[in-house]
Amino acid sequence: DAGVIQSPRHEVTEMGQEVTLRCKLISGHNSLFWYRQTMMRGLELLIYFNNNVPIDDSGMPEDRFSAKMPNASFSTLKIQPSEPRDSAVYFCASSSHAAGGYTGELFFGEGSRLTVL
Amino acid sequence: QKEVEQNSGPLSVPEGAIASLNCTYSDRGSQSFFWYRQYSGKSPELIMFIYSNGDKEDGRFTAQLNKASQYVSLLIRDSQPSDSATYLCAVRSAGNQFYFGTGTSLTVIP
Repeated sequence: DAGVIQSPRHEVTEMGQEVTLRCKLISGHNSLFWYRQTMMRGLELLIYFNNNVPIDDSGMPEDRFSAKMPNASFSTLKIQPSEPRDSAVYFCASSSHAAGGYTGELFFGEGSRLTVL
Repeated sequence: QKEVEQNSGPLSVPEGAIASLNCTYSDRGSQSFFWYRQYSGKSPELIMFIYSNGDKEDGRFTAQLNKASQYVSLLIRDSQPSDSATYLCAVRSAGNQFYFGTGTSLTVIP
């Protein structure tokens, strides 16, 4: 079975450029999480979708960040304009969340390492 | 975000010893608790999960949960050099968000 697939794996861009990170969920999963990982702050939850609907975006740093889930299996995280402080590894993770409360574990993609010069 | 606190370490133990990793959380409504292992440059992978108070054992790993104290721990018995990694405590809130601690770096010395 294919796991969570993220692209690109590495992105180097200049300050002010637009960055789009992509994520494909595991088939059958209906919850999608975007995280940002840095040495200083660890894994920070940016946004959480359930059944394509954004449930909690309180972790999105500011208006420069936006995330969409145009269908049940795919999501994008966009940063426009990018800044050097956005440099981090961005992880996408998916899980199965059933009505009634059961939630399986999180499965992580391999991450997208972003460097903004 | 809900707070999940871990000792950042680094923690060093000799091969064959027991490694003890600790985690506290602030949200009393938290539903379930997870330990992930992350090797350098890799993504986190699940080691164990625990939902109920008490101990849960899986091979060399034992997770312990005390909801009254809002405390979760992971014991690794017979530590091996391949256990050297960063261990992340994760907590699932009542709202189904997963929050992570900053991780504890473990080094097992041969």
